[in-house]
Amino acid sequence: AQSVTQLDSHVSVSEGTPVLLRCNYSSSYSPSLFWYVQHPNKGLQLLLKYTSAATLVKGINGFEAEFKKSETSFHLTKPSAHMSDAAEYFCVVSSTGNQFYFGTGTSLTVIP
Amino acid sequence: GAVVSQHPSRVICKSGTSVKIECRSLDFQATTMFWYRQFPKQSLMLMATSNEGSKATYEQGVEKDKFLINHASLTLSTLTVTSAHPEDSSFYICSAMGLAGAISYNEQFFGPGTRLTVL
Repeated sequence: AQSVTQLDSHVSVSEGTPVLLRCNYSSSYSPSLFWYVQHPNKGLQLLLKYTSAATLVKGINGFEAEFKKSETSFHLTKPSAHMSDAAEYFCVVSSTGNQFYFGTGTSLTVIP
Repeated sequence: GAVVSQHPSRVICKSGTSVKIECRSLDFQATTMFWYRQFPKQSLMLMATSNEGSKATYEQGVEKDKFLINHASLTLSTLTVTSAHPEDSSFYICSAMGLAGAISYNEQFFGPGTRLTVL
């Protein structure tokens, strides 16, 4: 069975401070893991993905995530938040390649 | 990267009418397409998965006669909401996976979404 838990439904940070969005997963097999960002009334854009290569994955817009098998986590981080980062973020897990399980999403607010 | 388009981006219709939403892969062959529904401030809910040339596989609780999905070509899938009612108002998002030459995509590429409002 596969599932994804995004531990925070809402995160608020000040501009220029670090961002941490938490994601834990459950998977019977070696998973692929993804982080997507969604701005209001827009589709989803892929930030980064882990597919069994390097455990530290760098994505677009300065985001990165580290796959920790022992902790079954794939937390998303960014050293310095920008106003344009305010959006909804989704963590997604897939083990079969044709079934994707979405977390409930984390809404990121950036305070100027 | 691969691009997926959706049309229309926004549609308003009267109750009882049918609405067709198109999802196109612009620079790759979409062997698999997914249709999602998203309510305000909620995550995406998978409605169905379709493989080109095959009937769509619907998730539990999704009425296949209500939400008709056609994936007749490697670049186009359509979702038709038949006899739409106000409770069908939602944000509908498609995504696609597939091939671009020798490259096989193992991730989904999402369309920009279609906002459906049924009066």
